[in-house]
Amino acid sequence: AIRMTQSPSSFSASTGDRVTITCRASQGISNYLAWYQQKPGEAPNLLISAASTLQSGVPSRFSGGGSGTDFTLTIGCLQSEDFATYYCQQYYSYPFTFGPGTKVDIK
Amino acid sequence: EVQVLESGGGLVQPGGSLRLSCAASGFTFNSYAMSWVRQAPGKGLEWVSGIGGNDDSTYYADSVKGRFSVSRDNSKNTLYLQMYNLRAEDTAVYYCAKGDGTNNYYYTMDVWGQGTTVTVSS
Repeated sequence: AIRMTQSPSSFSASTGDRVTITCRASQGISNYLAWYQQKPGEAPNLLISAASTLQSGVPSRFSGGGSGTDFTLTIGCLQSEDFATYYCQQYYSYPFTFGPGTKVDIK
Repeated sequence: EVQVLESGGGLVQPGGSLRLSCAASGFTFNSYAMSWVRQAPGKGLEWVSGIGGNDDSTYYADSVKGRFSVSRDNSKNTLYLQMYNLRAEDTAVYYCAKGDGTNNYYYTMDVWGQGTTVTVSS
């Protein structure tokens, strides 16, 4: 199975900050990488597919990049509603696998 | 509105069985692959199983292979997860998720239910 790692595992930030989360795959996955946001008590929400394609309705302050094994999720100007846990997920091969998550909380 | 709604969770003893259901609405169910994803208390997301939209190809995480079985009834717009020989480590919220439709085999999950809770305990 492809192993996904994320860094950092958690961090504190302030509203208005620019934040970047990194995701790494244990082998090349082309651009078969998705990012999800999950808030406490809620189901995950798909933000980005194909490493950089923003889903309809997702604010443009979110952006994704990367290919192969290294990927990033950037939030350009953190808003209060963005404090959540973010997961990357590869869908290049079965079994699909998620990263362990990055929790973004308020400084 | 595109929706999926899980049901069937509950308390089960170790070694027991349970069947989860996921009722889909608002989209052409047989055209989309579907997945089950779970989340143990306080932990991250774990993909469990997936099934193709129109060819019934099935896939499983190593942790459930041989114990869980995914199926679908396209006439009822319903996805199932039959779970056998349940273990304490299967305790989790189980989410049903719709594939994005770009590919029958390799897809992101663009619509999620609210989840159903499975607790395995004596």
